[in-house]
Amino acid sequence: DIVMTQSPDSLAVSLGETATINCKSSRSVLYISNNKNYLAWYQLKPRQPPRLLIYWASTRETGVPDRFSGSVSETDFTLTISSLQAEDVAVYYCQQYYSAPMTFGQGTRLEIK
Amino acid sequence: QVQLQESGPGLVKPSETVSLTCTVSGGSMNRYYWSWIRLTPGRQLEWIGYIYSSGTAFYNPSLQSRATFSIDTSQNQVSLRLTSVTAADTAVYYCARRAEGQWFDSWGRGTLVTVSS
Repeated sequence: DIVMTQSPDSLAVSLGETATINCKSSRSVLYISNNKNYLAWYQLKPRQPPRLLIYWASTRETGVPDRFSGSVSETDFTLTISSLQAEDVAVYYCQQYYSAPMTFGQGTRLEIK
Repeated sequence: QVQLQESGPGLVKPSETVSLTCTVSGGSMNRYYWSWIRLTPGRQLEWIGYIYSSGTAFYNPSLQSRATFSIDTSQNQVSLRLTSVTAADTAVYYCARRAEGQWFDSWGRGTLVTVSS
C-alpha cells in the first residue's frame, strides 16, 4: 500500500495569514502516460459532508475559493491556504488514488491562532 | 446537486453484523462508483471499497473479506454489510461518490457506528 504522511499534525495560523500543509507519498503517484499526479485534498468539518478541494494535485474543484491551491514536487505535495478565514478551521486530508487500496494521510488540524 | 445520506443502527455489539445504507438523491446512480469510507476515532480515514452501478465491487483487503456491498439503483441506495465487528470498527462511516478520475467528489454527512457490549 502507498503510505501518505502529512505534516504537521496540527497548526495554528492567524486570520489573513497563510497556512501550509504537507503530504508525502511513500512512492510516486505520477502516472507517466498522462503526466498527472493522482492526489486529492479534502476538508473535513464536524457534522458536515467532507469537501473535495483539489484533485490531480493542483486542480481546484468547482466552487472552491482560489485561496486554496495545491502544488507538487516529486512525491511531496502541498496544500496552501492563503488569506486564512475563520471558516477554514477544519481537518485536511490528502489522498492518493494512483493504486488500490486508496489511502489517506493522517490528517492535519488547522486552527486559528 | 447529488446528495448522499447514510443511516445505520448506531450501536452494535462485538462479533455482530452491522448494516448501513446510503440513500442518493438529486442525481442518477448509473455509471458511477459508490464508495464507503470510514473515519476512526484516531482521525484516520480508511477506504473500505466501492461498488459500481452494475454491481461490480472492489474491497480493501484490510477488511479481510468482512465487508459486502450491495446496490439498488431503482431505490437509489447502496449498502454496506460488515460482519464480526470489533471495537476497531468503531468509526464514522461515509458514503461517497467516486468521480471519473477516482477522487471522491460528493460525500454524505456520515453515520456513527459504535461497537460496544
